[in-house]
Amino acid sequence: DAKTTQPPSMDCAEGRAANLPCNHSTISGNEYVYWYRQIHSQGPQYIIHGLKNNETNEMASLIITEDRKSSTLILPHATLRDTAVYYCIVRVPYNQGGKLIFGQGTELSVKP
Amino acid sequence: DAGITQSPRHKVTETGTPVTLRCHQTENHRYMYWYRQDPGHGLRLIHYSYGVKDTDKGEVSDGYSVSRSKTEDFLLTLESATSSQTSVYFCAISGQYNEQFFGPGTRLTVL
Repeated sequence: DAKTTQPPSMDCAEGRAANLPCNHSTISGNEYVYWYRQIHSQGPQYIIHGLKNNETNEMASLIITEDRKSSTLILPHATLRDTAVYYCIVRVPYNQGGKLIFGQGTELSVKP
Repeated sequence: DAGITQSPRHKVTETGTPVTLRCHQTENHRYMYWYRQDPGHGLRLIHYSYGVKDTDKGEVSDGYSVSRSKTEDFLLTLESATSSQTSVYFCAISGQYNEQFFGPGTRLTVL
């Protein structure tokens, strides 16, 4: 399974963009990158996923490098409610059950 | 939320007693998962199911069993609870793009 590396913690000012990096240098060609977040004591929340193209939805943007060895999750205008642990995950092939392997994530603190 | 409920939400039990946690979905999704979350370990997969009566082990399956007799229900059983199984348990279902939607969690304390 491809492993991911994320910084353990980051700070961001409210209203500014939060850019969360992730390294996944051993990713395979058919593996997707998924991002989740977990707000204290709640279940993880799906944010976005991508294969090789950049993706955007109502929550965030995902930028994947051309060699697919790293990606960045962008929260364009961070709010205090975005304070959470953010997980970057590479999905194992579907025929293995589509299991998500969670790492330690990045604890993002959005400050006023 | 994606129509996932877990019961009970909190439970305190004693070592050696059996415990069953229930996950119920209203989305008719094929895949369902049980995770546990402990400080310093993040979320770890216990068991998963890819259909009625079809289940498989995750990375921390020892001491746990599961059953799926209906699409909507996935049960996690601790046959004889131990203190090391004190944890927060999350159920998840898989969407059409394999994004997983998680339930609210069950906090289990084994004394």
